Parts: sequence; C-alpha cells; structure tokens
Amino acid sequence: KNQVEQSPQSLIILEGKNCTLQCNYTVSPFSNLRWYKQDTGRGPVSLTIMTFSENTKSNGRYTATLDADTKQSSLHITASQLSDSASYICVVSAGGSYIPTFGRGTSLIVHP
Amino acid sequence: KAGVTQTPRYLIKTRGQQVTLSCSPISGHRSVSWYQQTPGQGLQFLFEYFSETQRNKGNFPGRFSGRQFSNSRSEMNVSTLELGDSALYLCASSLLQKDTQYFGPGTRLTVL
Repeated sequence: KNQVEQSPQSLIILEGKNCTLQCNYTVSPFSNLRWYKQDTGRGPVSLTIMTFSENTKSNGRYTATLDADTKQSSLHITASQLSDSASYICVVSAGGSYIPTFGRGTSLIVHP
Repeated sequence: KAGVTQTPRYLIKTRGQQVTLSCSPISGHRSVSWYQQTPGQGLQFLFEYFSETQRNKGNFPGRFSGRQFSNSRSEMNVSTLELGDSALYLCASSLLQKDTQYFGPGTRLTVL
C-alpha cells in the first residue's frame, strides 16, 4: 500500500531560526514529490516539485531535498518568519497515473 | 490572472440529501482535480479530469461523482449524504497533469 509519513507531527520554533521537516514514502513506482504549505482555512500552495532525477529544489527560503534510493525527502526552512506558521504537506504521486498520496502534514508554529 | 474559484464556499445539508460543488480553474488549465480534507483522514484524492475525461479516481464510493465541461469548469456531486462526508472539498487546476497544481479556497460542507 502506498504511504507517506511525515515527521514531526508538530514543531514550534522561534522566529529567525531554521528548521527541517521530514517525509518518508513507500509509493511505487515513483513519479514526483511535492511540498505544499497550507495556511489555516485556505487551500494548499505549492512550494516545490521534484522528479526522480532531482535531488534538491529551492523556492526562496524553502529548500527541498529528495533521496530516491532511501525514499526520503526533507524541507528546510531558513530564517523562519511568523508567516511560515502553517501546515506543510508532502505529496507523492505514483508513476504513470500520477495519483497522489498525501502525508498528514507537519504543523509549524513560529513564535516571535 | 484569476485564481481557482469554488462555489459555494460554505454549505449545510442533511443526511440523505445530495450536493453539487463547482470549480472554475485558472484560464488555460485543462486538468482539474478534486480532494477531500478532514481532520481524521487528512487530504485524500477524489478524482482528476482532463479535457472532459475522468483520468483517475481515488478510493471513494460511487456516491461521489464528477464531470468536466468543455470550458474546463468542473463539478462534483455527492449523493445520499452521510455525516462522514462533512469535510473541506478542494479543487485544484494545472496546465497538464504533472504540472504545478493551484488550489482553490475550498467548499466547507457540513452534513447534519
């Protein structure tokens, strides 16, 4: 069964600090891995998309890495801001069909 | 460019009724996907349409159906509503299936 596990479930950090969120998956065959940011009460916003051949992708202060061999991805947030407080969701799509499997998300709270 | 719009934003129905939700994708986008988000299950894929054809379907009962029109607008229908159908229903559009998805704000459905 295709699964996506994210850790930690929740995280509290101080403004200005860096943090790293983890995503492990068992989706096979693999097509792509996406990270989304979802603010409370709003739809998710795409941060990065990575295919099998990509092992790092940046979007401003967000940097995602992918290790297709170990089926792990991480999202690193640099110099956190209060507006980074949100849920971060990892999504892995299966090859061919692109049917996505979602992780449960990491809830990040950034305190001033 | 206008974003993805969903109507209505909020809906209250009673068990046994049916409901139709609407999604207008970003102009030029031909792929529209629907998702259900609940606190218990997180985000789950419902189905995906491309050029009026359903290309993928998630693991949901037949009470959940959808369609896409020639202008790429999409509707989803849920018949014989159950309490467990209470959720945020999100629509996302993209140029092609594998491209970045842009989510709408969602329709919050409450079944009493």
